[in-house]
Amino acid sequence: GENVEQHPSTLSVQEGDSAVIKCTYSDSASNYFPWYKQELGKGPQLIIDIRSNVGEKKDQRIAVTLNKTAKHFSLHITETQPEDSAVYFCAASKNSGYALNFGKGTSLLVTP
Amino acid sequence: GAGVSQSPRYKVAKRGQDVALRCDPISGHVSLFWYQQALGQGPEFLTYFQNEAQLDKSGLPSDRFFAERPEGSVSTLKIQRTQQEDSAVYLCASSLYGSNTGELFFGEGSRLTVL
Repeated sequence: GENVEQHPSTLSVQEGDSAVIKCTYSDSASNYFPWYKQELGKGPQLIIDIRSNVGEKKDQRIAVTLNKTAKHFSLHITETQPEDSAVYFCAASKNSGYALNFGKGTSLLVTP
Repeated sequence: GAGVSQSPRYKVAKRGQDVALRCDPISGHVSLFWYQQALGQGPEFLTYFQNEAQLDKSGLPSDRFFAERPEGSVSTLKIQRTQQEDSAVYLCASSLYGSNTGELFFGEGSRLTVL
């Protein structure tokens, strides 16, 4: 089955700096790659997603890039703010929208 | 409701007890998913419903786990004869569409602790 690896497991940045989280996947048939943000005691919330026919997608301070050849995708957060502190999960699926395979998460801490 | 609602939020069970976890998806959402999230890990897929049909139950870890969605809205995840390794947060998510695309909206989860 699909295996999603996520790095780093923890990331600490100063407010205003950029944060980058990287994921790799194993199944070349995967075609849907969402990123979720999970705050303590809450369920994961979708922040951005990308499909395999697109190389890059941006939404304000958040961007995601996809390299299908290398089977990896990355989340970029610019101008980080303390409220960006949370656990971020990448995921991959070959049947868009269900049976998502999640990475183990990255705990991001943004310090003022 | 405005979002996916799960109950109970917290459940403590003695080993061997049966538990039932409830999920109220967003009204009108066709797809419903259950995920299991162990401490410090990412969610792991358990099962998927499209309306009342259970289309994928490949992630259920054993035959002690059973899920249903009889009328295509509310779903219940039942765990029989609970064991300590069942301790986790059980997340329910729903999606408007039945296939491809569709943002998954997660509930806040039911935290199960088996003593």
